[in-house]
Amino acid sequence: DAKTTQPPSMDCAEGRAANLPCNHSTISGNEYVYWYRQIHSQGPQYIIHGLKNNETNEMASLIITEDRKSSTLILPHATLRDTAVYYCIVRVWYSGGGADGLTFGKGTHLIIQP
Amino acid sequence: KAGVTQTPRYLIKTRGQQVTLSCSPISGHRSVSWYQQTPGQGLQFLFEYFSETQRNKGNFPGRFSGRQFSNSRSEMNVSTLELGDSALYLCASSSAGGTANVLTFGAGSRLTVL
Repeated sequence: DAKTTQPPSMDCAEGRAANLPCNHSTISGNEYVYWYRQIHSQGPQYIIHGLKNNETNEMASLIITEDRKSSTLILPHATLRDTAVYYCIVRVWYSGGGADGLTFGKGTHLIIQP
Repeated sequence: KAGVTQTPRYLIKTRGQQVTLSCSPISGHRSVSWYQQTPGQGLQFLFEYFSETQRNKGNFPGRFSGRQFSNSRSEMNVSTLELGDSALYLCASSSAGGTANVLTFGAGSRLTVL
C-alpha cells in the first residue's frame, strides 16, 4: 500500500470548515483513498473513501486532485465533537476482503476550538 | 443495528499470564480483524478471519493467536504476557464484497500488564 503524509496537527474554529490534507504521491492506479478518524479512547470510525472522483456523504467531502497525488478531507461545519485523530489511508480495493490489514500512520490530530 | 461488541472493556493481568478477548461483529459481517494500538507503535494489524479461517496475519509473535466461530464471533488470545503487550486491542468487522474495505471498529479492550 502506498504511503501517506499528513500534518501532525491542525486547529479549526468551531463552525468553520476543516480541511485536512493528505499527500500520497506514490499512489497507484488501483488504490483508493480512505479516511478514518479516532476520537480519544474509541475505535476508529470510517468516514469516506474515493478513487479519483470527488465524494461526499453525510459526514464529509473528499477532494482528490486530478493526478491523485494528494487529497483533502473537508468537514463542512466543524463541531467540538469532530476533535479527533484523522487517518488517511491508501490501498487497493479487495472485492472479497481478505487483504492485509489497514496501515494506519500517525494521522492528523484535529482540534476544534470553541 | 448493533455495532461491534468487545469484551471485556478493561482488564489487568500480570506478566506470564494469558488473556482471551472476545469480539462480536455486526450481524451479517463475516470478516473480523484485530488491531493493537499502543502510544509508541500506533495502530497495528494483528490478523483477519473470514469464515473461521485466518486469511492474513500481521507481524506479531506466535504468542498472539485468534480464532473465529461459525457465528462469526471471534476471540484473540495472548499467552505469556509481557509488559509491552499493554495496549488497546481493537476488533473490526466488515462484510465481504463491495464494502470489504470499510471496517467498523469496536470500542476496544484495554489490557494492562503489570
